Amino acid sequence: AQSVSQHNHHVILSEAASLELGCNYSYGGTVNLFWYVQYPGQHLQLLLKYFSGDPLVKGIKGFEAEFIKSKFSFNLRKPSVQWSDTAEYFCAVIATGTASKLTFGTGTRLQVTL
Amino acid sequence: GAVVSQHPSWVICKSGTSVKIECRSLDFQATTMFWYRQFPKQSLMLMATSNEGSKATYEQGVEKDKFLINHASLTLSTLTVTSAHPEDSSFYICSAQGWDSGNSPLHFGNGTRLTVT
Repeated sequence: AQSVSQHNHHVILSEAASLELGCNYSYGGTVNLFWYVQYPGQHLQLLLKYFSGDPLVKGIKGFEAEFIKSKFSFNLRKPSVQWSDTAEYFCAVIATGTASKLTFGTGTRLQVTL
Repeated sequence: GAVVSQHPSWVICKSGTSVKIECRSLDFQATTMFWYRQFPKQSLMLMATSNEGSKATYEQGVEKDKFLINHASLTLSTLTVTSAHPEDSSFYICSAQGWDSGNSPLHFGNGTRLTVT
């Protein structure tokens, strides 16, 4: 079965700092990859997704992620974070043949200070 | 965008009672709905997958007689926690997928925080 690892559990950054959140998955086959964000008190929202093609994916709010197949990674990046980016970030994977079952990482709590 | 409504957003119940959680797709028909459970500081864990008009498929380790799932229509799925115990206290989240979603991202409800006393 596939699994997803997010090694950063809690990240604290100052506004304007650059962000990179790690995500690694374990599955030998084809995967679809996602990053979701959960703002305080709100539901999960999709930030970006990768299905195929250009491994550098751009999402909403200035986020991007790069799929590196050889490293089984899909790290999330943002050049300059804002206070409003304070949230929980989840990496998720759908392995082909699993009927759209999302497997989530444990999440990374990002706290952006002014 | 597509909206999934989950109700109630929080519920407190006594041990031994049953609690029903509803998940509705408001502006699309959800062929498949997923139920997740999230413990504090942990990831979302898939409990079961339900398709309209058929029995739910439960993940390993999830008691189907305890967590009853009904997907009676293309816009509504319910999760009933039967004979709830304190260890069932958790955050339950549903998600829904439409006809043409393929492997497209699912739409999530806001979640229900269940506290069993």
